[in-house]
Amino acid sequence: QSALTQPASVSGSPGQSITISCTGTSDHAYVSWYRLRPGQAPQLVIHDVSNRPSEISNRLSGSKSGNTASLTISGLQTEDEAHYYCCSFARSSSGWVFGGGTMLTVL
Amino acid sequence: QVQLVESGGGVVQPGGSLRLSCATSGFYFSGHGMHWVRQAPGKGLEWVAFAHYNGENKAYTDSVKGRFTISRDTSKNTVYLEMNSLKFEDAGLYHCAKDSSAGSYELRSWGQGTLVTVSS
Repeated sequence: QSALTQPASVSGSPGQSITISCTGTSDHAYVSWYRLRPGQAPQLVIHDVSNRPSEISNRLSGSKSGNTASLTISGLQTEDEAHYYCCSFARSSSGWVFGGGTMLTVL
Repeated sequence: QVQLVESGGGVVQPGGSLRLSCATSGFYFSGHGMHWVRQAPGKGLEWVAFAHYNGENKAYTDSVKGRFTISRDTSKNTVYLEMNSLKFEDAGLYHCAKDSSAGSYELRSWGQGTLVTVSS
């Protein structure tokens, strides 16, 4: 399965906005994003590119342009510090693939 | 509420076998696809396997094809991952996850995971 490419790390100050990119190919569809905090189970934060579960803050949003999906977090808070992973369904293999993950640091 | 509880992890030698279980509750098990996802120590998430809600359609990542088998028991609301011919690189925390609804592609709810250690 071909990989999704994410930056290894991003950082921002409280109150600022950051964007995490996730670059795939035309083979990838149905992008979702997950947050992973130490000692916790992964949590779905965005699905189908831009849809947000009801329990997720509206400071998180998703978008896609071409083969690159993006997760934007506005009004950064210390609680946003975590690893974020994108995930996509790969049509050619009928399986799923995760990006390498991005560590978000709130300075 | 939705609960997913993994078990069956442990220490195994290379070439050995393990069967992981994921006991579920709080939702209609037969109406949801189920996944296994792992995280090797110090590494990122890696999707491992999926079983369609009907239990017949299954998918695996290339590195485990022919060695791992996902199955589900609707009478016990449990999904399993049978792992054979284990390799050092199979070590990690194994999570099970459910989709949002039949035919959806996101992993909606996750368990805390069970740890697999491969050591000689």
